[in-house]
Amino acid sequence: GQQLNQSPQSMFIQEGEDVSMNCTSSSIFNTWLWYKQDPGEGPVLLIALYKAGELTSNGRLTAQFGITRKDSFLNISASIPSDVGIYFCAGQNYGGATNKLIFGTGTLLAVQP
Amino acid sequence: ETGVTQSPTHLIKTRGQQVTLRCSSQSGHNTVSWYQQALGQGPQFIFQYYREEENGRGNFPPRFSGLQFPNYSSELNVNALELDDSALYLCASSLKSTARGQGRGTGELFFGEGSRLTVL
Repeated sequence: GQQLNQSPQSMFIQEGEDVSMNCTSSSIFNTWLWYKQDPGEGPVLLIALYKAGELTSNGRLTAQFGITRKDSFLNISASIPSDVGIYFCAGQNYGGATNKLIFGTGTLLAVQP
Repeated sequence: ETGVTQSPTHLIKTRGQQVTLRCSSQSGHNTVSWYQQALGQGPQFIFQYYREEENGRGNFPPRFSGLQFPNYSSELNVNALELDDSALYLCASSLKSTARGQGRGTGELFFGEGSRLTVL
């Protein structure tokens, strides 16, 4: 099935460092969402973006909706051990027949205390 | 805590058997979607139910079927199980507005913890 390209595939960082990851698509979306998934659990919504160029924050997380509508970025500042998990981007064309999400390949984040 | 509950959490089946997975959506939500997540991959859209009807389907064969009930809960049924059906099955609930000028909030999907299916 279709998946969006996420990079990096994995990151191993020290506590306190900032993290950046991105997601690219060959097609445009009108909504981008970022989720975090812990092992054995379902994805948890972190941030939703609805407008090209939009920059939205949720605590230490900041995400941006790319101007081309084909990409999105997620930054985590001052990482802490509980940030460990897999981060997924998801594109959506909200307002269509369905609100299905097309997910990225995921970025595994490991934080060393 | 999303308010979306799924059952069972884990189950083991053998090839050729049938399985039913259940999902209760978040209060106030009227749309349920099902996703399949294979190990090491992102979730893949199976189908979506709105007003008790399937209104969108991904690239999955007809042996994957579903139901939505009047209380918006849902079931996913898979017949003639194959080894490749082993995966985490995720249910997501959302609000699809029937009014004009839909609010921004209906783009957001909230997932349950998933049902881990192993096919031997």
